[in-house]
Amino acid sequence: QSALTQPASVSGSPGQSITIPCTGTSSDVGSYTYVSWYQQYPGKAPKLMIYDVSNRPSGVSNRFSGSKSGNTASLTISGLQAEDEADYYCSSYTSSTSLVFGGGTKLTVL
Amino acid sequence: QLQLQESGPGLVKPSETLSLTCSVSGDSISSSSNYWGWIRQPPGKGLEWIGSIYYSGTTYYNPSLKSRVTMSVDTSKKQFSLKLNSLTAADTAVYYCGRHPPGSGFRFDCWGQGTLVTVSS
Repeated sequence: QSALTQPASVSGSPGQSITIPCTGTSSDVGSYTYVSWYQQYPGKAPKLMIYDVSNRPSGVSNRFSGSKSGNTASLTISGLQAEDEADYYCSSYTSSTSLVFGGGTKLTVL
Repeated sequence: QLQLQESGPGLVKPSETLSLTCSVSGDSISSSSNYWGWIRQPPGKGLEWIGSIYYSGTTYYNPSLKSRVTMSVDTSKKQFSLKLNSLTAADTAVYYCGRHPPGSGFRFDCWGQGTLVTVSS
């Protein structure tokens, strides 16, 4: 299975909004609502930020939102804050009853 | 609350077998609400799902690793384990254990802190 495609890096200024796309295929993102997003700080374990395309776990800021169109899912962070600077990974369930991750996107808050 | 802790050797030789254990506290390893899984991350690279296991022994493995992976659960010790054989330098990574609900599409909502495994002679 091939990794989902994410841009290597994105950046934005405090207060702005950014969107990170995650492109898969009809065997994963395109066919299932089981798309999740994780935030990871250097040297730390990933943290679930979005699940089932657009749902936020308890305690996650409503500045984080998710969506999906066709084979591409997206994570949007609004009102960008310095603390949002981290790596972000998407994941999707696949038709092989497995899980595939994206390559990760480094978010820089300028 | 649920806590997971990985343990195992930090250094393993090429061609040998890696054995890691994840200790579960704060919830029952036999709960019907939990699947247990392993994810790894090579230094400076992205995440890779290795596989998941239910307390009953049902397993799901990454197709690209399936031939080298074995996962098991020891309910008496509240632990689940990973064995990965025929190691090469490409298996050097931080290995995380995690938990996901059944029927969630492998949504990992709890992670261990991770343990670095280096494959080198």
